[in-house]
Amino acid sequence: AQKVTQAQTEISVVEKEDVTLDCVYETRDTTYYLFWYKQPPSGELVFLIRRNSFDEQNEISGRYSWNFQKSTSSFNFTITASQVVDSAVYFCALSGANTGNQFYFGTGTSLTVIP
Amino acid sequence: DTEVTQTPKHLVMGMTNKKSLKCEQHMGHRAMYWYKQKAKKPPELMFVYSYEKLSINESVPSRFSPECPNSSLLNLHLHALQPEDSALYLCASSRGHQESPLHFGNGTRLTVT
Repeated sequence: AQKVTQAQTEISVVEKEDVTLDCVYETRDTTYYLFWYKQPPSGELVFLIRRNSFDEQNEISGRYSWNFQKSTSSFNFTITASQVVDSAVYFCALSGANTGNQFYFGTGTSLTVIP
Repeated sequence: DTEVTQTPKHLVMGMTNKKSLKCEQHMGHRAMYWYKQKAKKPPELMFVYSYEKLSINESVPSRFSPECPNSSLLNLHLHALQPEDSALYLCASSRGHQESPLHFGNGTRLTVT
């Protein structure tokens, strides 16, 4: 079974604070892929990052960083020095080698950055 | 700008109307998707076309009818919808492999009255 859990439903932070969005996944596939998407109020889901199951190297892109840990089945997303433009709903998603064209989305975390 | 274009952006229709949602991509992607998203919920998969053939139909009611005229176009024909069908309808495309991310359009906000 494939499942993605985002336990944080809503988070509010004050601008310039750091914030971490949690993502925990379940899969029986040995090869799988994890994704993060951002959905601002305008509605479009924007792809942020993909991570392969065989590559546990963490990644940093500007103020964004991702921590992938297979041992805890987690793929967490940290925003450093948050800005108002970071306010959005963030979805973590999973696809597996045996899931066809299926993507399994978590329930999303709504982030509000207060100026 | 998004590389997946959806029209219209907003649609209001009555329960007896027939309308169509349109989606276009020019990234050479071979898989195209329709998702339905209710407020404060994740996207819910409806249909997947792979190489212009319907590969996944997530038990969607027949009042939703997808069509893929070619590899760049995807339509969703709507007929006799119910008010509970009001939602954001998102089109997406990908290269069609498990590691390929989805690229979404801006969506169509549909209201059924």
